[in-house]
This record gives sequence, C-alpha cells and structure tokens, in this order.
Amino acid sequence: GEDVEQSLFLSVREGDSSVINCTYTDSSSTYLYWYKQEPGAGLQLLTYIFSNMDMKQDQRLTVLLNKKDKHLSLRIADTQTGDSAIYFCAESRSGSARQLTFGSGTQLTVLP
Amino acid sequence: DAGVTQSPTHLIKTRGQQVTLRCSPKSGHDTVSWYQQALGQGPQFIFQYYEEEERQRGNFPDRFSGHQFPNYSSELNVNALLLGDSALYLCASSPKTAGQGIHMNTEAFFGQGTRLTVV
Repeated sequence: GEDVEQSLFLSVREGDSSVINCTYTDSSSTYLYWYKQEPGAGLQLLTYIFSNMDMKQDQRLTVLLNKKDKHLSLRIADTQTGDSAIYFCAESRSGSARQLTFGSGTQLTVLP
Repeated sequence: DAGVTQSPTHLIKTRGQQVTLRCSPKSGHDTVSWYQQALGQGPQFIFQYYEEEERQRGNFPDRFSGHQFPNYSSELNVNALLLGDSALYLCASSPKTAGQGIHMNTEAFFGQGTRLTVV
C-alpha cells in the first residue's frame, strides 16, 4: 500500500474550517510537512512539524500529529476561495535528509 | 532572493531523445533534490545532490542521471525518453547543513517545475 495516504477531495463553504487528513506508515519519520500546489505551479511549503510535537499553530493553520495512530491533519480556519488548491502531506525518513515521500494530494474546493 | 528557479518551464521531446533540465537553488542552500510529478499524483523522489555528489536515490532507472556544480546549481538528464516520462519535474533546495556533515531535516523549497511532454 501507499506510504502516505490522503483522501482525494474536500469541499467546504467559504468561512468554514477545513480539515485535511493524512496517514503515514513509517514510524521513523522525523518531520511531516504540508505543501500547497495551485494549478500549473510548484509546491509551496505551508508548515511542518517535528515528530516529537503533537500540535503546531501558524496563523490560520493548525497541524495535529497523532504519532501512535500515524495520523496527521491540517486545519485551515476561516477558509477562503484563495485556499482552493491541492494539499500534499509528506514525510521525511530518519537518516534521509530532505528525501520526502508525498501522498497523492487532497483537492480542496472552497465554495462561495 | 529569487528562490528556486528552474528552466525551461515547458519542453516537448520525442520518444528516444535526451533532455536536460536545470535548477538553481535558493541563496544559501547547498542541497538539491529532484522529483517527478505525474498528472494527478504526488511528487516522487528521484535523487538528491550535495557537495557535487549523488547522495540519495529513489526508485528510478539509470536513464535518469544528474549533476551538481560548484555553485550548487544542478541538472537532471533523462536519456532514451519514454512516453511515461511525461510529467512535471520539480527541483527542491534545502539549507546548508548544521555542521559536521550532519543533515538536519528542515524546510525544502520547491521551484515552479519544468513540464516535460514526450510525444
């Protein structure tokens, strides 16, 4: 199976919160990342969390990590139409600096 | 700061040809990684260069090769192109190591990518 799994689609209303979920299999993952990709563009790093943390907040973004269940989530508060994009979860393996393993991405659609 | 820059932005090649893609890392970064992103998929790690040597490699055939120059810029070469090589090729750069040759996992910044179409 996939090393990193994400649901494919999520739709929310403008102003609501979005929660994008991710599961990973490698218990030795040291860092977990969230990237945003808009159509025709590269990847924009949104935030990352070290595996010894369980939560990280950065403005409208909150990352929650459940290391026991190998579950990562990204919550976007007050979702705006400009947040519509594909969101990728990625993990880096211990001892492999900056070699990222990505999920297939979650397409977030924000409805007016 | 120009960030990570890649060239060209788009490229069309014929099966069997060879292609070279280029990447200039963000200022202050010394490590360059290359990823292949097929349509509708997440990026797949190809390889990583540091100190002008390939340090890590993903599950890609030898047709994929690379190079890093003393100024940290990098090239990705693909020989004997196949239709399945059509993808967005992304370059990522990462900061200088913390010291003593130990890599610290930190941010990896991506370029806008090169869209390669093989016909």
